[in-house]
Amino acid sequence: DAGVTQSPTHLIKTRGQQVTLRCSPKSGHDTVSWYQQALGQGPQFIFQYYEEEERQRGNFPDRFSGHQFPNYSSELNVNALLLGDSALYLCASSLGGSSTDTQYFGPGTRLTVL
Amino acid sequence: GENVEQHPSTLSVQEGDSAVIKCTYSDSASNYFPWYKQELGKRPQLIIDIRSNVGEKKDQRIAVTLNKTAKHFSLHITETQPEDSAVYFCALSGGSYIPTFGRGTSLIVHP
Repeated sequence: DAGVTQSPTHLIKTRGQQVTLRCSPKSGHDTVSWYQQALGQGPQFIFQYYEEEERQRGNFPDRFSGHQFPNYSSELNVNALLLGDSALYLCASSLGGSSTDTQYFGPGTRLTVL
Repeated sequence: GENVEQHPSTLSVQEGDSAVIKCTYSDSASNYFPWYKQELGKRPQLIIDIRSNVGEKKDQRIAVTLNKTAKHFSLHITETQPEDSAVYFCALSGGSYIPTFGRGTSLIVHP
């Protein structure tokens, strides 16, 4: 039973570039949420995807966008990268499309913007 | 959105002591309250959660209590061990509110 997986594990980009991060949910899960975790902070909710649609969104600009595929995997895209986008990006999967479903986190992608 | 305050930010205990971490929130629509443990460089791991129809839940050395009237919930760890050392996050969600995490408590258990 595969858990949540994310790729890549680390990424280095320069300001202004664009990045795509990928997430495969735990087997049997249909919902993917994305979080940004800055150093020394708690995870901050970016958005949640269920049935290939964005269901909820946190306080993040439109530079952050996403997509969910028919197999429930998901991508997070960030355009026009800023230094402040440097963080650990976590995805979490759950079953049912609700914010109160139990979530399981992936190992994260460490993004560094220079 | 919902806000959650988590205290203390750092907690240092001796092995075998108990540890208590408390989170307070403001909106009564919140109805799901999970706790996560995050070791350095690792993913957050769910250790226990509670829903608003329950006041207390235990799992071996870990317990969570919820006081909906006072709008706070707490994590209790008994008989702490060095491997309990990590950062602990409370979180909440419910209704139309997005999942919101506390700022974390760094627990240090001294052998």
